[in-house]
Amino acid sequence: EAGVAQSPRYKIIEKRQSVAFWCNPISGHATLYWYQQILGQGPKLLIQFQNNGVVDDSQLPKDRFSAERLKGVDSTLKIQPAKLEDSAVYLCASSRTSGGTSYEQYFGPGTRLTVT
Amino acid sequence: GEDVEQSLFLSVREGDSSVINCTYTDSSSTYLYWYKQEPGAGLQLLTYIFSNMDMKQDQRLTVLLNKKDKHLSLRIADTQTGDSAIYFCAARESSASKIIFGSGTRLSIRP
Repeated sequence: EAGVAQSPRYKIIEKRQSVAFWCNPISGHATLYWYQQILGQGPKLLIQFQNNGVVDDSQLPKDRFSAERLKGVDSTLKIQPAKLEDSAVYLCASSRTSGGTSYEQYFGPGTRLTVT
Repeated sequence: GEDVEQSLFLSVREGDSSVINCTYTDSSSTYLYWYKQEPGAGLQLLTYIFSNMDMKQDQRLTVLLNKKDKHLSLRIADTQTGDSAIYFCAARESSASKIIFGSGTRLSIRP
């Protein structure tokens, strides 16, 4: 079974520029998550999709961050314009469901963003 | 909301047992997790425990849960160099499927 794919793996941009990250979840996984992991911290949930609908985006800075999952499969996360404090690793994860029992989340390798 | 805390560093000798500790604040958390993150990689779920259990063992891993003190620990027996990583404790909020992560404990192994 192929894992969660993310691209690019690394990105360096200047502040005020725009950037987009792509995620392809494990086939058949209905739920997709985007996390932000700042150096030295644990991942923080930005947004959660169930199929192509948003379940939780309460911690997404909506003035600059946007995400979509139009066909309920892959997803893109965009930052426009970027700030220095957006430097972090952006992790995508997927799971079979968002409820139920243990519902293991499978993580991709992440995209490391550096804003200069 | 839920808050999860853990110590930042742990150093153990190869072959010894490692014990990583974690505390959480929401007594109604339903599931508690331990994830492992190796350099440049995403998080890998090691094990989890239901809130109605107090212990779970899986090969070299033992999870202990003290619900009264809201304390979770992960014991790794016979620690090997391949166990070097950052270990994250996480709790699933009772009201939703959101998982709250701690800041991670970096485990280093001495020869």
